[in-house]
Amino acid sequence: SQTIHQWPATLVQPVGSPLSLECTVEGTSNPNLYWYRQAAGRGLQLLFYSVGIGQISSEVPQNLSASRPQDRQFILSSKKLLLSDSGFYLCALTGTDSNQPQHFGDGTRLSIL
Amino acid sequence: QKEVEQDPGPLSVPEGAIVSLNCTYSNSAFQYFMWYRQYSRKGPELLMYTYSSGNKEDGRFTAQVDKSSKYISLFIRDSQPSDSATYLCAMRGGSYIPTFGRGTSLIVHP
Repeated sequence: SQTIHQWPATLVQPVGSPLSLECTVEGTSNPNLYWYRQAAGRGLQLLFYSVGIGQISSEVPQNLSASRPQDRQFILSSKKLLLSDSGFYLCALTGTDSNQPQHFGDGTRLSIL
Repeated sequence: QKEVEQDPGPLSVPEGAIVSLNCTYSNSAFQYFMWYRQYSRKGPELLMYTYSSGNKEDGRFTAQVDKSSKYISLFIRDSQPSDSATYLCAMRGGSYIPTFGRGTSLIVHP
C-alpha cells in the first residue's frame, strides 16, 4: 500500500531562517505529488504539484519553492522564512491512475517566531 | 461565491446520534467526490470516494451525491466519540487537482 513519510512532525524556526521539509513515498512509482498548506480556519491551499522528476508547478507565488530530485521524494524549501509561512504543511500523492483520490501524509507543523 | 461551501461548525452531537455533514458546490463539471476525516495534528484520511450521483455505503458511513442540486452529504450512523474530528469534502472534474471545502468540526460527546 502507498505510504507517505513527512518529517519533521513539528518545527519551530526564527524569521529569516531557511527551511527544508521532506516528503518521501513508498508503495508506488511515478506518483503525482503535492504540497499543501493548511492554516487555521482557511482550508487547504495547494502550493506546488509535480507529475515527475524535475517537474514542478507552482500554484501560489511566494517565497517557497519545491523540488523533486527523485521519483519518490518531494522537498519544500525557503531561503528566508516569513511569519506568514507558519502553518501545517501536508504532502499528498495520487498514484499512476490520476483518477484516484489524493492520499495525505501526517504533515509538519511549522511555527515561525 | 466559493466553489465549495462547507459549514465549519462545530457540530456537537450525543453518542449514538446520526450525523449529517454537507457541502454545496457551484461547478457543474465536478464528477468525483471525496470525504476526508482529519484528526487534530494529523493529515486528512480518505473516508469515501464516489463518482457522479448516488449513494455509497461503507460500514457506518454513507456518502450521497445529488448533482442536480450540487449538494453532497456524509452520514455517520451510531456516532462514537472517536468520530470527533474535522471532516473535509473535496471534489474535482477533469483536472486531477481537487477543490476542498474548509471542513466541518464534529464533536461527539459521551
